[in-house]
Amino acid sequence: EVQLVQSGAEVKKPGQSLRISCKGFGYTFTNYWIGWVRQMPGKGLEWMGIIYPGDSDTAYSPSFQGQVTFSADKSINTAYLQWSSLKASDTAIYYCARPPSPGVHGPFDSWGQGTLVTVSS
Amino acid sequence: SYELTQPPSMSVSPGQTTRITCSGDTLPKKYAFWYQQKSGQAPVLVIYDDNKRPSGIPERFSGSTSGTMATLTISGARVEDEADYYCYSQDTSGNPWVFGGGTKLTVL
Repeated sequence: EVQLVQSGAEVKKPGQSLRISCKGFGYTFTNYWIGWVRQMPGKGLEWMGIIYPGDSDTAYSPSFQGQVTFSADKSINTAYLQWSSLKASDTAIYYCARPPSPGVHGPFDSWGQGTLVTVSS
Repeated sequence: SYELTQPPSMSVSPGQTTRITCSGDTLPKKYAFWYQQKSGQAPVLVIYDDNKRPSGIPERFSGSTSGTMATLTISGARVEDEADYYCYSQDTSGNPWVFGGGTKLTVL
């Protein structure tokens, strides 16, 4: 069974850095793109971008380019979403997700449980 | 940037049919997908490739497209269908993918 397990909730202050994780189980991690999706409180879903763990190829939404960094460690089947300097507006639930077929960008049919990131002074 | 436009909210009585629309310029060329998100849960794919239903999704969910409009139809809505529904597709460049703004469906 395919599973994506995300790291736990985080509470940070503005200006701090953060890395959250998404670990894949039950499939060949390097063969499938992993996407990241933001959901701000009470708001809709936003596609942030995707990473291919096999070679760390990435594609970012223009809205998130330069604001976050995707990475992956294929030795431990884990993808990461990273901020170097958090803002209060980064407060949201962040989901990782995977498409049903290897080598394609989407859509996503397997989702992590979400990681709540709270940024507050 | 590319946008997909949905009505913010809709309501339907149990047993009735409802149609949620999604408008986007590239929908004639790119597939539409639909997600259901219930409160506090991760999204679930209910329609892919315009009109196909993943395994386990009830037959009352169907999808269609016409020109720049994609439509999710729920035939015989049930109380458990109350959720937010999002359409999803791509820009013609292949990146990025975009979600519609979401439609809050109330069943009462």
